[in-house]
Amino acid sequence: DAKTTQPNSMESNEEEPVHLPCNHSTISGTDYIHWYRQLPSQGPEYVIHGLTSNVNNRMASLAIAEDRKSSTLILHRATLRDAAVYYCILHTSGTYKYIFGTGTRLKVLA
Amino acid sequence: DTGVSQDPRHKITKRGQNVTFRCDPISEHNRLYWYRQTLGQGPEFLTYFQNEAQLEKSRLLSDRFSAERPKGSFSTLEIQRTEQGDSAMYLCASSFYRGRTGNTIYFGEGSWLTVV
Repeated sequence: DAKTTQPNSMESNEEEPVHLPCNHSTISGTDYIHWYRQLPSQGPEYVIHGLTSNVNNRMASLAIAEDRKSSTLILHRATLRDAAVYYCILHTSGTYKYIFGTGTRLKVLA
Repeated sequence: DTGVSQDPRHKITKRGQNVTFRCDPISEHNRLYWYRQTLGQGPEFLTYFQNEAQLEKSRLLSDRFSAERPKGSFSTLEIQRTEQGDSAMYLCASSFYRGRTGNTIYFGEGSWLTVV
C-alpha cells in the first residue's frame, strides 16, 4: 500500500493562508489523493480529492506536483474553526482501502 | 440531516459485557465501512460491506467482533465480552461505489466506547 508522510503539527495565524504538505513518493497511476480533516471528538470530514490536476472547492484547494509525488492542501484564510487534524490519504481507484496515518495537527492562532 | 448516522454516540460498559453499535449510511450508498480509532492515532480499517455482503475483514477484527448489514441498509457492529483494550471510537462510513473512479467515503460522528 502506498504511504503518505505529513508533518506532525503546524501552526498558522488566523486569516492567513495555510499550506499543508504531503509526500507520497510511491504513488501509483491509479491512486487518488484524498484529504480529510478531523475536529476534536468528531468523525473525519471529507475536504477534497484529486488525481493529477489541481482542484478547488469551497473548503480548500489541492495542488498536486507534476510528478504526483507530493501534494499540498491550501486553506486560503485560516479560521479558528479550521483547527483540526488533517489527513492525506492515497486511495487506489476501485478498491475499498483508505489507509490513514497520524496526520498533521493544525493549530490556528488568534 | 442526510449524513451517516451512528448510535449511540457514547457507551460506557463493564468489562465482559456485550455492546452493539448501529450505523445508518447515506441513502443509496452501497458501501459501508467500519473503522476504529484510538487517541492520537488515525482511523484503522475494520471491515466493509458492499450491499449486504461483507467483503473484507481486518485482522484487527477478532472473533469477539461481528458486523452485519441485513438487506444492505443499516449496519450493526457487536463486540462480545468487551475488554479494556476495546475502548476506542468506532467510526462508520459509507460511499457510493461506481467502479474504478474516485470513491469518496463519508464518515459519521463516531461511537465512543469506554470499557471499565
